[in-house]
Amino acid sequence: EAGVTQFPSHSVIEKGQTVTLRCDPISGHDNLYWYRRVMGKEIKFLLHFVKESKQDESGMPNNRFLAERTGGTYSTLKVQPAELEDSGVYFCASSLTSFLDGYTFGSGTRLTVV
Amino acid sequence: AQSVTQLGSHVSVSEGALVLLRCNYSSSVPPYLFWYVQYPNQGLQLLLKYTSAATLVKGINGFEAEFKKSETSFHLTKPSAHMSDAAEYFCAVSLRRMNTGFQKLVFGTGTRLLVSP
Repeated sequence: EAGVTQFPSHSVIEKGQTVTLRCDPISGHDNLYWYRRVMGKEIKFLLHFVKESKQDESGMPNNRFLAERTGGTYSTLKVQPAELEDSGVYFCASSLTSFLDGYTFGSGTRLTVV
Repeated sequence: AQSVTQLGSHVSVSEGALVLLRCNYSSSVPPYLFWYVQYPNQGLQLLLKYTSAATLVKGINGFEAEFKKSETSFHLTKPSAHMSDAAEYFCAVSLRRMNTGFQKLVFGTGTRLLVSP
């Protein structure tokens, strides 16, 4: 079984540019989550999809961040325009049904905004 | 609101020594607690979880953790460290949404375990 795939693994962009991160969950996993870790701080929740619906987007920092999950398969997280404070590692995770089984995380995308 | 505190951003042990990584939680309701590990250039991997069953939880790679309600703690231990245990470890508590039941994780700041020969 393929795991959760994220790409790119690294991205370096200039302030003001746009970046799109992609997450491919495990096939059949309806639940997809985005998390972010900024500069050695704690990993923070961004949002949660169930299929194509956003169930909880309370962690999205501001309206420069847009997450989509068309068709309930892969998800994208777009940052437009990027700011310096957006630098960090963005993790995606998926789960089949019960949260108590634990998520499967991807390896993350390291975003550096210069 | 739930929160987690991990004491010590770095912990150094010698190979063969006891590993103890500390985690204290705050929760207004009975919590679900997790330990994740991140090896270099890899994603987060679930080590073990506490879901209100047995208070002593055994996980992968010889790790275990004990839920102590009186101390609001969920410390991670391993009797004998291996070089391969060097990684960053994250404690997390679940947060349940009351209306939908969907949950999200609240993480601590992580503890990097260094193992010397």
